[in-house]
Amino acid sequence: DQQVKQNSPSLSVQEGRISILNCDYTNSMFDYFLWYKKYPAEGPTFLISISSIKDKNEDGRFTVFLNKSAKHLSLHIVPSQPGDSAVYFCAAKRVTDSWGKFQFGAGTQVVVTP
Amino acid sequence: DVKVTQSSRYLVKRTGEKVFLECVQDMDHENMFWYRQDPGLGLRLIYFSYDVKMKEKGDIPEGYSVSREKKERFSLILESASTNQTSMYLCASSLRGSPPKETQYFGPGTRLLVL
Repeated sequence: DQQVKQNSPSLSVQEGRISILNCDYTNSMFDYFLWYKKYPAEGPTFLISISSIKDKNEDGRFTVFLNKSAKHLSLHIVPSQPGDSAVYFCAAKRVTDSWGKFQFGAGTQVVVTP
Repeated sequence: DVKVTQSSRYLVKRTGEKVFLECVQDMDHENMFWYRQDPGLGLRLIYFSYDVKMKEKGDIPEGYSVSREKKERFSLILESASTNQTSMYLCASSLRGSPPKETQYFGPGTRLLVL
């Protein structure tokens, strides 16, 4: 049973507009979240993280929002650029879980069109 | 920069063959992980290791085994490959400790086709 769900397998957005990627989780004990970006034929690379003590974290064009009561997080990319076309995975864990094990979502394919 | 390398980018094997996938990291990370990535299922953890000679089962260990004889190297073994093991295999490593230390760094992946 997937504990982290990305219900939109794909998203198409125009260059310059906002991309909003969503992620829901079922385990209320999760308190640390990551977003990874993956290009074809490459491994995922870390993008941005958020701890449950915050509800927002920003890094340049990327902002992650966390709504703990709804067990929902989202990644906003503003403005979207063609180089943002990739698969985005969200991942979650409990900080107290040992060995750095994360649960990953299925991913959202983002296509940024000119 | 953390570098995680995987021995092969593409592999084609026959059903029943023994398959070895090798992963090496150069940042002295304690933790190492093997995932498989399948469409619609995301990354699923097969096995992980938190120290030399130590291993723990992940979510889908059936049909796989692992070996970690040196800190920098983590091998995934398919004892008898089957067609349902056709997938993209990703290796990752991380430091041990609290976030953000536990951020995982991934290799480029091995695309395995079992015929």
